[in-house]
Amino acid sequence: EAGVVQSPRYKIIEKKQPVAFWCNPISGHNTLYWYRQNLGQGPELLIRYENEEAVDDSQLPKDRFSAERLKGVDSTLKIQPAELGDSAVYLCASSFSGTGRGYEQYFGPGTRLTVT
Amino acid sequence: AQKVTQAQTEISVVEKEDVTLDCVYETRDTTYYLFWYKQPPSGELVFLIRRNSFDEQNEISGRYSWNFQKSTSSFNFTITASQVVDSAVYFCALSELETDSWGKFQFGAGTQVVVTP
Repeated sequence: EAGVVQSPRYKIIEKKQPVAFWCNPISGHNTLYWYRQNLGQGPELLIRYENEEAVDDSQLPKDRFSAERLKGVDSTLKIQPAELGDSAVYLCASSFSGTGRGYEQYFGPGTRLTVT
Repeated sequence: AQKVTQAQTEISVVEKEDVTLDCVYETRDTTYYLFWYKQPPSGELVFLIRRNSFDEQNEISGRYSWNFQKSTSSFNFTITASQVVDSAVYFCALSELETDSWGKFQFGAGTQVVVTP
C-alpha cells in the first residue's frame, strides 16, 4: 500500500515569492492534515480536512497561507508571499476517522522549505 | 500551555544499552489517545503505537515497550538493547476526544536518541 506522497521534497525560494506544496494521502483516508515542523520542535497543526471540508484551520496564518482539497483526496498548501520565518518542514498526514476518533495519523516525507 | 512534555532533549547511549524516553501529558478529558512516533534522519514520522485512556495495560513489541500510568499522566517508552538504527527523534503525542480539539494531535518537542556502536 502506498504511503502519503508529498512533493516537492525540497524547495528554496526568495522571500516574497509564492510557493505551493502538494499532498496525496493514503487511499481511503478521509482526513488530511497539514503540519509545520520547525527545527528541534514537534509538528504543529496548520489545517485539518474531513473530506473536502476544512474543520480546523485555527492555526493557519490566513493572511498568507491557503489550502484546498477540492475533491476530498489530494491537497495543496500555498504560501504567498513567503517570509523568512516560513522556513520549516511542511508535513502532510492522513488518517481514517470513522466512529472511533483518534486513529493514528500516517505522515508523508515532508517538504523542506528554505526562504532566503 | 504545553500539553505534552518530553523533558529529555537528547539521550546518548552505547549500542545494547536500554533507553527510556519520558512523556508527561496534561488533559481534562477522560477519553483520549496517546501515541509515539519515530522520526529518523530521513524525516518521515513513523507510527509506533497508539494507546487509549481506558487501557493501562503495558505493551511490548519486540525491543520496544510502553508504560502507561494515568495516575502520573505518563506514557513512557523503553527501547531494550538499543541498536544504531534506533537513532532518531521520538515524539509523544496526545489526541483529546472530548474537547473542541478532538482529532488534533498535540506533539511533544521530541527526544533525540543517539546510539553509538
